[in-house]
Amino acid sequence: DAGVTQSPTHLIKTRGQQVTLRCSPISGHKSVSWYQQVLGQGPQFIFQYYEKEERGRGNFPDRFSARQFPNYSSELNVNALLLGDSALYLCASTNPGANVLTFGAGSRLTVL
Amino acid sequence: AQSVAQPEDQVNVAEGNPLTVKCTYSVSGNPYLFWYVQYPNRGLQFLLKYITGDNLVKGSYGFEAEFNKSQTSFHLKKPSALVSDSALYFCAVRDSGTYKYIFGTGTRLKVLA
Repeated sequence: DAGVTQSPTHLIKTRGQQVTLRCSPISGHKSVSWYQQVLGQGPQFIFQYYEKEERGRGNFPDRFSARQFPNYSSELNVNALLLGDSALYLCASTNPGANVLTFGAGSRLTVL
Repeated sequence: AQSVAQPEDQVNVAEGNPLTVKCTYSVSGNPYLFWYVQYPNRGLQFLLKYITGDNLVKGSYGFEAEFNKSQTSFHLKKPSALVSDSALYFCAVRDSGTYKYIFGTGTRLKVLA
Protein backbone atom coordinates (compact mmCIF):
# COMPACT_ATOMS: atom_id res chain seq x y z
CA ASP A 1 0.00 0.00 0.00
CA ALA A 2 1.22 3.48 -0.80
CA GLY A 3 1.93 5.66 2.19
CA VAL A 4 1.09 9.32 2.55
CA THR A 5 2.30 11.11 -0.57
CA GLN A 6 3.08 14.80 -0.79
CA SER A 7 3.93 17.07 -3.68
CA PRO A 8 6.00 18.91 -4.57
CA THR A 9 8.97 17.66 -2.56
CA HIS A 10 10.90 20.89 -2.88
CA LEU A 11 9.98 24.36 -4.04
CA ILE A 12 11.38 27.85 -3.96
CA LYS A 13 9.21 30.96 -3.86
CA THR A 14 9.79 34.64 -3.31
CA ARG A 15 8.21 36.85 -0.68
CA GLY A 16 4.63 37.79 -1.45
CA GLN A 17 3.96 34.80 -3.67
CA GLN A 18 1.43 32.08 -3.00
CA VAL A 19 1.99 28.34 -2.73
CA THR A 20 -0.20 25.24 -2.82
CA LEU A 21 0.96 21.96 -1.33
CA ARG A 22 -0.78 18.67 -1.95
CA CYS A 23 -1.28 15.53 0.08
CA SER A 24 -2.80 12.11 -0.62
CA PRO A 25 -3.58 10.08 2.50
CA ILE A 26 -3.22 6.37 2.97
CA SER A 27 -6.09 4.55 1.30
CA GLY A 28 -8.96 4.31 3.77
CA HIS A 29 -7.79 7.16 5.97
CA LYS A 30 -10.36 9.92 6.18
CA SER A 31 -8.47 12.46 8.28
CA VAL A 32 -5.59 14.64 7.13
CA SER A 33 -3.50 16.96 9.27
CA TRP A 34 -0.90 19.54 8.31
CA TYR A 35 2.18 20.45 10.33
CA GLN A 36 4.93 23.01 9.85
CA GLN A 37 8.45 22.05 10.89
CA VAL A 38 10.93 24.89 10.99
CA LEU A 39 14.58 23.85 11.00
CA GLY A 40 15.66 22.82 14.47
CA GLN A 41 12.16 22.65 15.90
CA GLY A 42 9.41 20.13 16.34
CA PRO A 43 6.39 20.04 14.04
CA GLN A 44 3.70 22.62 14.77
CA PHE A 45 0.04 21.84 14.13
CA ILE A 46 -1.62 23.89 11.39
CA PHE A 47 -4.90 22.14 10.45
CA GLN A 48 -6.84 18.94 10.77
CA TYR A 49 -9.57 17.89 8.36
CA TYR A 50 -11.97 14.98 8.66
CA GLU A 51 -14.65 14.12 6.14
CA LYS A 52 -13.93 17.38 4.32
CA GLU A 53 -14.58 19.54 7.38
CA GLU A 54 -12.05 21.49 9.39
CA ARG A 55 -11.82 19.92 12.83
CA GLY A 56 -8.90 21.87 14.25
CA ARG A 57 -6.74 24.86 13.56
CA GLY A 58 -3.41 25.81 15.09
CA ASN A 59 -2.06 29.24 15.88
CA PHE A 60 -1.33 30.31 12.32
CA PRO A 61 -2.42 33.47 10.50
CA ASP A 62 -5.28 33.58 8.01
CA ARG A 63 -2.72 33.47 5.19
CA PHE A 64 -2.79 29.73 5.79
CA SER A 65 -5.80 27.82 4.49
CA ALA A 66 -6.58 24.25 3.57
CA ARG A 67 -9.26 22.04 2.20
CA GLN A 68 -10.05 18.37 1.83
CA PHE A 69 -11.56 16.83 -1.25
CA PRO A 70 -14.17 14.03 -1.61
CA ASN A 71 -11.36 11.51 -2.21
CA TYR A 72 -9.83 12.66 1.14
CA SER A 73 -6.78 14.26 -0.46
CA SER A 74 -5.92 17.71 0.80
CA GLU A 75 -4.30 20.98 -0.19
CA LEU A 76 -2.56 23.52 1.99
CA ASN A 77 -2.43 27.03 0.63
CA VAL A 78 -0.23 29.83 1.92
CA ASN A 79 -0.68 33.36 0.63
CA ALA A 80 1.60 36.38 0.81
CA LEU A 81 4.64 34.31 1.68
CA LEU A 82 7.10 35.57 4.26
CA LEU A 83 10.69 34.52 4.83
CA GLY A 84 9.55 32.89 8.07
CA ASP A 85 7.29 30.52 6.15
CA SER A 86 10.36 28.62 5.00
CA ALA A 87 9.94 25.17 6.50
CA LEU A 88 9.19 21.51 5.92
CA TYR A 89 5.44 21.08 5.59
CA LEU A 90 4.27 17.68 6.72
CA CYS A 91 0.99 16.01 5.97
CA ALA A 92 -0.26 13.14 8.12
CA SER A 93 -3.26 10.88 7.76
CA THR A 94 -5.17 8.78 10.25
CA ASN A 95 -8.55 7.45 11.12
CA PRO A 96 -10.13 8.78 14.29
CA GLY A 97 -9.73 6.27 17.06
CA ALA A 98 -6.49 4.96 15.61
CA ASN A 99 -4.43 7.50 17.59
CA VAL A 100 -1.45 7.20 15.26
CA LEU A 101 -0.49 9.74 12.65
CA THR A 102 1.23 8.45 9.53
CA PHE A 103 3.38 11.16 7.98
CA GLY A 104 4.44 11.85 4.45
CA ALA A 105 8.00 12.82 3.57
CA GLY A 106 7.06 16.48 3.45
CA SER A 107 7.31 19.45 1.12
CA ARG A 108 10.29 21.67 1.74
CA LEU A 109 9.45 25.30 1.04
CA THR A 110 12.13 27.93 0.74
CA VAL A 111 11.05 31.57 0.59
CA LEU A 112 13.62 34.02 -0.74
CA ALA B 1 -2.42 23.37 28.07
CA GLN B 2 -0.79 20.14 27.05
CA SER B 3 2.95 20.15 26.48
CA VAL B 4 5.99 17.93 26.30
CA ALA B 5 9.60 18.76 27.01
CA GLN B 6 12.73 17.11 25.76
CA PRO B 7 15.52 18.43 27.95
CA GLU B 8 18.42 17.18 25.84
CA ASP B 9 19.21 18.60 22.41
CA GLN B 10 21.62 15.75 21.72
CA VAL B 11 22.45 12.37 23.21
CA ASN B 12 25.63 10.49 22.32
CA VAL B 13 25.97 6.80 23.03
CA ALA B 14 28.40 4.10 21.97
CA GLU B 15 27.14 1.29 19.77
CA GLY B 16 26.01 -1.66 21.86
CA ASN B 17 25.33 0.46 24.93
CA PRO B 18 21.84 1.14 26.25
CA LEU B 19 20.27 4.43 25.26
CA THR B 20 17.71 6.71 26.88
CA VAL B 21 16.05 9.74 25.35
CA LYS B 22 14.12 11.77 27.89
CA CYS B 23 10.65 13.27 27.70
CA THR B 24 8.45 14.87 30.33
CA TYR B 25 4.85 15.88 29.84
CA SER B 26 2.24 18.21 31.23
CA VAL B 27 -1.37 17.30 30.53
CA SER B 28 -4.79 17.60 32.04
CA GLY B 29 -6.47 14.25 32.19
CA ASN B 30 -5.06 11.00 30.87
CA PRO B 31 -2.11 11.45 28.54
CA TYR B 32 -1.87 10.00 25.05
CA LEU B 33 1.90 9.90 24.49
CA PHE B 34 3.94 9.05 21.40
CA TRP B 35 7.48 8.74 20.13
CA TYR B 36 8.41 9.43 16.51
CA VAL B 37 11.75 9.26 14.72
CA GLN B 38 12.90 11.42 11.82
CA TYR B 39 15.73 10.55 9.47
CA PRO B 40 17.34 13.25 7.29
CA ASN B 41 15.02 14.65 4.61
CA ARG B 42 12.24 12.33 5.69
CA GLY B 43 8.92 12.62 7.45
CA LEU B 44 8.29 11.30 10.93
CA GLN B 45 7.98 7.59 11.56
CA PHE B 46 5.89 6.24 14.43
CA LEU B 47 7.79 4.21 17.03
CA LEU B 48 5.37 3.59 19.89
CA LYS B 49 2.51 4.99 21.93
CA TYR B 50 1.07 4.92 25.41
CA ILE B 51 -2.69 5.24 25.75
CA THR B 52 -3.48 3.06 28.74
CA GLY B 53 -2.39 -0.22 30.28
CA ASP B 54 1.13 -1.43 31.04
CA ASN B 55 3.61 1.29 31.87
CA LEU B 56 6.28 -0.36 29.72
CA VAL B 57 5.41 0.02 26.05
CA LYS B 58 7.25 -1.88 23.34
CA GLY B 59 7.53 -0.46 19.85
CA SER B 60 9.31 -0.73 16.54
CA TYR B 61 13.01 -1.51 15.98
CA GLY B 62 13.57 -2.74 19.54
CA PHE B 63 12.59 0.54 21.19
CA GLU B 64 10.52 0.73 24.35
CA ALA B 65 9.28 3.50 26.60
CA GLU B 66 8.37 3.68 30.23
CA PHE B 67 5.37 5.74 31.33
CA ASN B 68 5.88 7.16 34.81
CA LYS B 69 2.86 9.01 36.11
CA SER B 70 4.45 10.25 39.33
CA GLN B 71 7.38 11.75 37.47
CA THR B 72 5.27 12.74 34.43
CA SER B 73 7.87 11.17 32.19
CA PHE B 74 7.85 8.99 29.10
CA HIS B 75 11.48 8.15 28.38
CA LEU B 76 12.46 6.24 25.25
CA LYS B 77 14.89 3.37 25.73
CA LYS B 78 16.72 0.68 23.86
CA PRO B 79 18.92 -1.99 25.46
CA SER B 80 21.60 -1.97 22.76
CA ALA B 81 22.08 0.97 20.39
CA LEU B 82 22.88 0.62 16.71
CA VAL B 83 24.65 3.16 14.51
CA SER B 84 21.53 3.10 12.32
CA ASP B 85 19.51 4.43 15.28
CA SER B 86 21.19 7.81 14.78
CA ALA B 87 18.35 10.20 14.00
CA LEU B 88 16.12 12.92 15.45
CA TYR B 89 13.59 11.72 18.01
CA PHE B 90 10.38 13.51 18.93
CA CYS B 91 8.09 12.99 21.86
CA ALA B 92 4.48 14.05 21.39
CA VAL B 93 1.21 14.27 23.27
CA ARG B 94 -2.27 14.33 21.79
CA ASP B 95 -4.27 17.32 22.91
CA SER B 96 -7.23 15.93 24.82
CA GLY B 97 -10.51 16.03 22.95
CA THR B 98 -8.81 16.89 19.68
CA TYR B 99 -6.57 15.27 17.10
CA LYS B 100 -3.93 17.96 17.51
CA TYR B 101 -0.56 16.51 18.41
CA ILE B 102 1.94 18.61 20.31
CA PHE B 103 5.56 17.76 19.64
CA GLY B 104 8.66 18.39 21.67
CA THR B 105 11.67 20.18 20.25
CA GLY B 106 13.42 16.94 19.42
CA THR B 107 16.56 15.13 20.59
CA ARG B 108 19.31 14.23 18.18
CA LEU B 109 20.67 10.78 18.93
CA LYS B 110 24.19 9.96 17.77
CA VAL B 111 25.34 6.38 18.09
CA LEU B 112 29.08 6.11 17.76
CA ALA B 113 30.76 3.04 16.28
